[in-house]
Amino acid sequence: DTEVTQTPKHLVMGMTNKKSLKCEQHMGHRAMYWYKQKAKKPPELMFVYSYEKLSINESVPSRFSPECPNSSLLNLHLHALQPEDSALYLCASSQGQILVRTEAFFGQGTRLTVV
Amino acid sequence: AQSVTQPDIHITVSEGASLELRCNYSYGATPYLFWYVQSPGQGLQLLLKYFSGDTLVQGIKGFEAEFKRSQSSFNLRKPSVHWSDAAEYFCAVGQTNAGGTSYGKLTFGQGTILTVHP
Repeated sequence: DTEVTQTPKHLVMGMTNKKSLKCEQHMGHRAMYWYKQKAKKPPELMFVYSYEKLSINESVPSRFSPECPNSSLLNLHLHALQPEDSALYLCASSQGQILVRTEAFFGQGTRLTVV
Repeated sequence: AQSVTQPDIHITVSEGASLELRCNYSYGATPYLFWYVQSPGQGLQLLLKYFSGDTLVQGIKGFEAEFKRSQSSFNLRKPSVHWSDAAEYFCAVGQTNAGGTSYGKLTFGQGTILTVHP
């Protein structure tokens, strides 16, 4: 199983709403990532979790709050978003072991629209 | 800081023709290089990767890429394009986090949109 599953596939939320994006993998990977992709742009890294600990935060606004409850799950909690936060949010995972060089596997993404 | 340049925003080829997508990178150490493909509204699928060793790497769907350190390039090639290859292609350079446990920290190029004419 080389799949990263993201739910929901589409999400429309108001600026005062609180919602969460979910990502799941069962490949035993210990590194997980959130990327944001605006229309007609490449993906940009937001967060990296390594062994369930936040390893990298690319200066993301606090209205985005990541959480890694266990090694298979990664959440992204959303609160008080702005319309410019509308984008495709991609989750990815990789093996995450020292000296093990592997690629990142991406999910299909959640298309988020903030109204 | 690392960067990736894909000079061609949009390429159009006829079905059956050969294809080369260009990618140049800037990175201080030995780069980890990847090509991903993305269909509209979808996630990213890995085509191939280079970490070390043989500079000509084979990938899925008949794609190959050649790492040329002297030119800081990692161009993607396919000898005969199929209509199903129409998509957006991203070249990316990867680096590890401080603990050396995460290789998914990717910097992407701007992407090249491939259109295939019948």
